[in-house]
Amino acid sequence: AQSVTQLGSHVSVSEGALVLLRCNYSSSVPPYLFWYVQYPNQGLQLLLKYTSAATLVKGINGFEAEFKKSETSFHLTKPSAHMSDAAEYFCAVEGGGTSYGKLTFGQGTILTVHP
Amino acid sequence: GAGVSQSPSNKVTEKGKDVELRCDPISGHTALYWYRQSLGQGLEFLIYFQGNSAPDKSGLPSDRFSAERTGGSVSTLTIQRTQQEDSAVYLCASSLEGRGSGNTIYFGEGSWLTVV
Repeated sequence: AQSVTQLGSHVSVSEGALVLLRCNYSSSVPPYLFWYVQYPNQGLQLLLKYTSAATLVKGINGFEAEFKKSETSFHLTKPSAHMSDAAEYFCAVEGGGTSYGKLTFGQGTILTVHP
Repeated sequence: GAGVSQSPSNKVTEKGKDVELRCDPISGHTALYWYRQSLGQGLEFLIYFQGNSAPDKSGLPSDRFSAERTGGSVSTLTIQRTQQEDSAVYLCASSLEGRGSGNTIYFGEGSWLTVV
């Protein structure tokens, strides 16, 4: 079975500081990996995805994530946080085996940005 | 439409009543998903439709939950004899192709269900 673990349910940073949201996955096959963002009272919006091309993936709003197979990680980063980045972020994996193609989400990380 | 459309956006119902939640996917998308988002439970997969194939119902939590997709487009999620633990946001999503494709899955804004 595949699973996703997001380390830290809440992350707080100052405006202009580095954002690092951690995601580790387990999957029996090379996965597709995604980061979604959810703003208050809205649906999920795709930030970026890894589909076995470049291991460093750039997404919208200045976010990027690096796929590290040896660490089974797909951490999300942004060099400089903006107030508008405050939201909940979900990492997700689409794997194989008995979980073929099923998108499994992590528990989410709420990002707070302080002025 | 431009995006995945869900209705109602908010629904308050009495315990024991049946509710229907509707999803209109992006035009041309063959895959449709229902997820449930509740506090402390994260995002749970409920059911998946792909074209004319039999749906994957493996995530439905009980036989009170059912879903159908008519004409390969609009989907309805039905919850019978609602319980308080059914209170959650029900998210519908669609993608151009189905599983294993790495396609982007587009989510609607959800239907917030409160059972009182």
